[in-house]
Amino acid sequence: GAGVSQSPSNKVTEKGKDVELRCDPISGHTALYWYRQSLGQGLEFLIYFQGNSAPDKSGLPSDRFSAERTGGSVSTLTIQRTQQEDSAVYLCASSLVLSGGAGTGELFFGEGSRLTVL
Amino acid sequence: GEDVEQSLFLSVREGDSSVINCTYTDSSSTYLYWYKQEPGAGLQLLTYIFSNMDMKQDQRLTVLLNKKDKHLSLRIADTQTGDSAIYFCAEKVGGTALIFGKGTTLSVSS
Repeated sequence: GAGVSQSPSNKVTEKGKDVELRCDPISGHTALYWYRQSLGQGLEFLIYFQGNSAPDKSGLPSDRFSAERTGGSVSTLTIQRTQQEDSAVYLCASSLVLSGGAGTGELFFGEGSRLTVL
Repeated sequence: GEDVEQSLFLSVREGDSSVINCTYTDSSSTYLYWYKQEPGAGLQLLTYIFSNMDMKQDQRLTVLLNKKDKHLSLRIADTQTGDSAIYFCAEKVGGTALIFGKGTTLSVSS
């Protein structure tokens, strides 16, 4: 597609339920990122996929959070047993990483998935 | 550490210049970025500067980088109401993901 596509755009769930958020990056982009944006907290890094390398999961806040990227393209962020503090906008971004890490590393963001946990 | 800090709010009048400041703590950052987020939208890259540069100018935007003080600033000349948005400073260290500040909300009044 022309840009990064995320779904659903809005999700309301009850505490304790599992949710899945999807990200379809720009075709050909090798790197994919998940960030969380909460009011007053800015952008919090969650996880980073780059090509076939092991993902950088250092930002995941707890073991209830996991993400996978199938076939080097679409990614799914899963939150198990959701809590009210998980309410936020989850942003996905992709970028084109050239060999040797060259390039500006510009991230292209989707419009986000707004999660509300009641 | 890799903390990026910026002030949370800035209010200016239309036509004035806006200066948004940012400090970062990792001296090995290769690129530094300014992203803009308009209401209800995702972030978009506004401009960036490579770490071996001191200044970059792009139309109404001027980016200044002081590596000694780890200070980055974004100046918007002749600020317009359409510039009202949240501005995020971000740094890239090696092959890692970008680290963002909490964002500065710019409010422009006519």
